[in-house]
Amino acid sequence: AQSVTQPDIHITVSEGASLELRCNYSYGATPYLFWYVQSPGQGLQLLLKYFSGDTLVQGIKGFEAEFKRSQSSFNLRKPSVHWSDAAEYFCAVGSYNNNDMRFGAGTRLTVKP
Amino acid sequence: DTAVSQTPKYLVTQMGNDKSIKCEQNLGHDTMYWYKQDSKKFLKIMFSYNNKELIINETVPNRFSPKSPDKAHLNLHINSLELGDSAVYFCASSPGQSNSPLHFGNGTRLTVT
Repeated sequence: AQSVTQPDIHITVSEGASLELRCNYSYGATPYLFWYVQSPGQGLQLLLKYFSGDTLVQGIKGFEAEFKRSQSSFNLRKPSVHWSDAAEYFCAVGSYNNNDMRFGAGTRLTVKP
Repeated sequence: DTAVSQTPKYLVTQMGNDKSIKCEQNLGHDTMYWYKQDSKKFLKIMFSYNNKELIINETVPNRFSPKSPDKAHLNLHINSLELGDSAVYFCASSPGQSNSPLHFGNGTRLTVT
């Protein structure tokens, strides 16, 4: 089965600084990749997704992610972080028919004023 | 209208009891899921159903039994609750296509004492 690794458990950045959250996947075929955000006490909300085409994808809230097949990576970026971005971020990889979506362990983002 | 709704939001019960969590989606999706999120925020798939048919059944104790009376509902019944069952349980749905994201409910926090 496919799998996802998020190497960073916790990241702290200052408000206004840039952000990059790392994600590495393992899947034998073309991956279907997603980033989700979870605010405290809430479910997961989709930020962006990639399944084909342009390897740089834009999402909501000013986030973007770049798919790099050679590195099996799908890192999430934001040029300027806002305090409201503090949350848990999950990278996920879907299977062919998406009946089996696997999540990384998550990265908790703290934003310093 | 809430797209994926779970009830109850909180569930506190004693060891040995039997409890159910209900999930309903009004998105017309064919596929529904149950995920368990532990105290470290790790999300693990438990079950997925496609049009009321069980597709994925991960290594989950037999005490957990999903039931899908129709494709808009996927309930989770847990027998003989144990301390280790304490977690947040998320229901999700998707159209079932590879590039379609999951839509999550807000979770049910189960505490077993």
